[in-house]
Amino acid sequence: NAGVTQTPKFQVLKTGQSMTLQCAQDMNHNSMYWYRQDPGMGLRLIYYSASEGTTDKGEVPNGYNVSRLNKREFSLRLESAAPSQTSVYFCASRGLAGGQSTDTQYFGPGTRLTVL
Amino acid sequence: GENVEQHPSTLSVQEGDSAVIKCTYSDSASNYFPWYKQELGKRPQLIIDIRSNVGEKKDQRIAVTLNKTAKHFSLHITETQPEDSAVYFCAATPLGGGYQKVTFGIGTKLQVIP
Repeated sequence: NAGVTQTPKFQVLKTGQSMTLQCAQDMNHNSMYWYRQDPGMGLRLIYYSASEGTTDKGEVPNGYNVSRLNKREFSLRLESAAPSQTSVYFCASRGLAGGQSTDTQYFGPGTRLTVL
Repeated sequence: GENVEQHPSTLSVQEGDSAVIKCTYSDSASNYFPWYKQELGKRPQLIIDIRSNVGEKKDQRIAVTLNKTAKHFSLHITETQPEDSAVYFCAATPLGGGYQKVTFGIGTKLQVIP
């Protein structure tokens, strides 16, 4: 099992450009999440998807859109990138895996995004 | 909503000493408390967790304690080693069907000095 995968690993954008961050999980989890991580601010929830076909805003949704394409894939789109969106983005899924008896979040490797 | 406070924000210890990181939560509906370790440039990874029906859980050199009444939970690392250097996040969440929000603490940067 690959777990949670994300592409790309690194990206540099100019202000105003758009891009989509891809995320996929092979653990058959219903819930998926997008977080951003900035120095000194921990993990902040951007959007989440409780199940296929549903998405909802988290703490910091402005400037982002998401698509839950199917149970495996959850993408994050920046329509017009701004320097304030420079961050590390983590996708996560939640459910049972790896012998755990409790629903747990599993994170992808992250995407380091710089907006110039 | 849930609010998780974590302290200290940074912690330096000598190799072999113990380290303790403390968190408090506000929502009594939270009943599952995972701890994540994030090494530099890597993803957060679950290292230990505790459910509200348990007061303490150990896994080799790490342990977590929970005081439900006071809404406190703590991570204890004994005999620290340089490879324990990382950022540690606590979290709180209800368990149950459907979507459940996970609220994270701000993180503690642990430095183990050889």
